[in-house]
Amino acid sequence: GDSVTQMEGPVTLSEEAFLTINCTYTATGYPSLFWYVQYPGEGLQLLLKATKADDKGSNKGFEATYRKETTSFHLEKGSVQVSDSAVYFCALRPLGGTSYGKLTFGQGTILTVHP
Amino acid sequence: EPEVTQTPSHQVTQMGQEVILRCVPISNHLYFYWYRQILGQKVEFLVSFYNNEISEKSEIFDDQFSVERPDGSNFTLKIRSTKLEDSAMYFCASGPPGTPKNIQYFGAGTRLSVL
Repeated sequence: GDSVTQMEGPVTLSEEAFLTINCTYTATGYPSLFWYVQYPGEGLQLLLKATKADDKGSNKGFEATYRKETTSFHLEKGSVQVSDSAVYFCALRPLGGTSYGKLTFGQGTILTVHP
Repeated sequence: EPEVTQTPSHQVTQMGQEVILRCVPISNHLYFYWYRQILGQKVEFLVSFYNNEISEKSEIFDDQFSVERPDGSNFTLKIRSTKLEDSAMYFCASGPPGTPKNIQYFGAGTRLSVL
């Protein structure tokens, strides 16, 4: 079945450091790929998405590129801020079939950014 | 901005008791979902609900679980006889009309502790 694997956390960085959170997936065909973020006390919010190979999703300085050849969707940000401290989830949604939008998630990566 | 609301934020129950987790989706949304995350594990899909019936469910969603949209605004998850292994964070999500492949909007979750 479909699966998503994220890098082990937690990740601790200083402000303005470069961030990479690795995400790889296993799926049939060409799923859509997502990064969700959960700030303390809030729900999961969509951060960015990509729906086909080589698409780059971007939002709030974060980027991720859909790499079919490596089945990856790594999240990057050039300069993190304290306000980026949150839990980040990589997820996929199958293309077609009988899926009613079911998302398959990775385990989440806790990011803490220190001033 | 409209949001998905879940209550309570934390529910403590004794093993064998019934619990009902409540969600108020965004008002014009038509697709509804429950996910859960056992501590330290991945967010897992439980069930999707559309047009007043279950459209898809996972292996986790056995006879002990049920969902209902009793009044057009609430969406509930009932666990008939809780087990210790049901302890988890439960997330509700909803999606706008048009297609189930639209973005899902998540609530902040209900932490269920079964003692």
